[in-house]
Parts: sequence; C-alpha cells; structure tokens
Amino acid sequence: NAGVMQNPRHLVRRRGQEARLRCSPMKGHSHVYWYRQLPEEGLKFMVYLQKENIIDESGMPKERFSAEFPKEGPSILRIQQVVRGDSAAYFCASSPWEGNTEAFFGQGTRLTVV
Amino acid sequence: AQKITQTQPGMFVQEKEAVTLDCTYDTSDPSYGLFWYKQPSSGEMIFLIYQGSYDQQNATEGRYSLNFQKARKSANLVISASQLGDSAMYFCAMREGLGGGSQGNLIFGKGTKLSVKP
Repeated sequence: NAGVMQNPRHLVRRRGQEARLRCSPMKGHSHVYWYRQLPEEGLKFMVYLQKENIIDESGMPKERFSAEFPKEGPSILRIQQVVRGDSAAYFCASSPWEGNTEAFFGQGTRLTVV
Repeated sequence: AQKITQTQPGMFVQEKEAVTLDCTYDTSDPSYGLFWYKQPSSGEMIFLIYQGSYDQQNATEGRYSLNFQKARKSANLVISASQLGDSAMYFCAMREGLGGGSQGNLIFGKGTKLSVKP
C-alpha cells in the first residue's frame, strides 16, 4: 500500500516561470490537504480539496496560486509567475475522511526559485 | 494569537535519557485533537502520536508518550530512552472541531530541534 506520493521531490524554477506540484493520495483517500513550510518554520495550511471540489482555500495566497483535485489523477498545486518568496517545501497530506485523526503526509516538494 | 506554541527552539539530551518537548495550545472548541510529528533532516513528516480532547488517558506509542494536561492546555511530548536517530525537528499540531464541521486541516507550531548527544 503505497503512501502519499509527491513529485517532483525537488524543483528549481526561474523567477516568472510556473511551478506544478503533484500529489497522489493514498489509495482510498479522497481528501487532500496542501501545506507550505518556509525555512525554519512549521507547516502552514493552504488548501483542502476533495475530488473535484475545493472545500477550503483560506490559506492560499489570493494571486498566482491555484489547486485542483480532478476525478482522475493526482492533485495539482500550481504556482504561476514564481517569485523568490515562493521558495519553500510544499507538503501534501491525505486522509480517508474529513476530520480523520491522522493525516498521512507525502515527502514534500522542495521548490527553489532562482 | 498563536494557536500552538512551542517555546523551545532547540533542546539537547544525552543518549538513553528521557526528554520532554513542550507544547501549549489555544482553542475554544471543546472537541479537538493534538498531534506530534517528527521531521528528520531528510524532510519527511512522520506521525508520532495523537491525543483527542476527550481521551481519558494519556496517549502512548512505544517510546513516545503525550503528557496531556487539559486545564493547562498543554500537550508535551515525552521521549524515553533517547536514541541518536531521534535527532530531528519535532512539531506539535492541533485539529479543531472534531465534533463536527471540521475541515480537518492541522495547525502547526514552529517546532523544536532536538539533538541527541552520544
């Protein structure tokens, strides 16, 4: 039973480019959460999705960031026109139902903007 | 106001000794859950232990135990018999609204860096 899979593990983008981060939840999990970890900080919630629905995007920056979780395929976190301040580790977590007592995290994608 | 406070940026412990990592939380919700995660230098987030607000007993998982003091709103992690592999960042986190209507997202503290000395 594979865990939460994130790819790529490391991503380097030049300022102004787009970054696409992928998250495949654990089998049977239909709830996906994205978090961002800035250097020397804890994780900060960004967005919560269920299949084909954004449930809560209160932690997402208003511009340049978007997320989706289609009926088929992985969840995608998309950052347009990246800036240096977007450099961070982005984690995805999945759970089988809302409010589960454990969220299973992927290994994260480390985005570096140069 | 901080929802999760970890006051120890860094801690040292001698191998084989016990160590307590502090965590205090702030919520007005009667139903919530408290989590501890370990993040080694490789970067992944490893779930360690969970305590529900209505759980009568303190949670334990192997060498990890959670010292839950509800009135003081503290949920300290105790690691017994420290090992060199325990050196890592440790994050306390909370999920509110478990009684219903919870979105399920976690609120994290800033973490404590634990270093185990041989």
